[in-house]
Amino acid sequence: QVQLVQSGAEVKKPGASVKVSCKASGYTFTAYYMHWVRQAPGQGLEWMGLINPNSGGTIYAQKFQGWVTMTRDTSISTVYMELSRLKSDDTAVYYCARAYDYGDNFDSWGQGTLVTVSS
Amino acid sequence: QTVVTQEPSFSVSPGGTITLTCGLTSGSVSTSHYPTWYQQTPGQTPRTLIYRTNTRSSGVPDRFSGSILGNKAALTITGAQADDESDYYCVLYVGSGVVIFGGGTKLTVL
Repeated sequence: QVQLVQSGAEVKKPGASVKVSCKASGYTFTAYYMHWVRQAPGQGLEWMGLINPNSGGTIYAQKFQGWVTMTRDTSISTVYMELSRLKSDDTAVYYCARAYDYGDNFDSWGQGTLVTVSS
Repeated sequence: QTVVTQEPSFSVSPGGTITLTCGLTSGSVSTSHYPTWYQQTPGQTPRTLIYRTNTRSSGVPDRFSGSILGNKAALTITGAQADDESDYYCVLYVGSGVVIFGGGTKLTVL
């Protein structure tokens, strides 16, 4: 069955960077785009961007351009999301989610990774 | 900057019918935006209810339906049940791979 398994919770200081991983299994890794979505405590969902695991090409939401980097390692079916220059309002649960094509729904989600930014 | 709009909150009586909407500050919503609706209960990952405007995801009860109403996407719940009490998020595709989430609607069933 399809599984997206994310790395564990992180605590970071303001100004630091965090790198979250998402390991895919149960399907052809390069056949689906991988998106990243975050949710601050008590807030809504926010799309951050996507990576094409086949080509490594990325598309980022305007808000996150220059600030987020998404990469992949096809040898281990894993995608990564790195967010730099963390601020306290980056405290959120970060999800990876796959979609087959542009505009398609996210049909499988990772379990989420809580990133806490605190001094 | 384009914003996807949703009602912040709504309440419905058990057995009642409710329609949640999803709009765009930059214009009308159409099927080309591939409206998708997610349901999220506290502590859980989102679950797809409706995709491509009106296609129900596998296992979703037929009391949930999607449509375009006027210039917005709409999610209608017919015969609301207690366990429909959740947050509902609309997502629209705005082109070039970019999607935008609405702010979500908190639905209360009482």
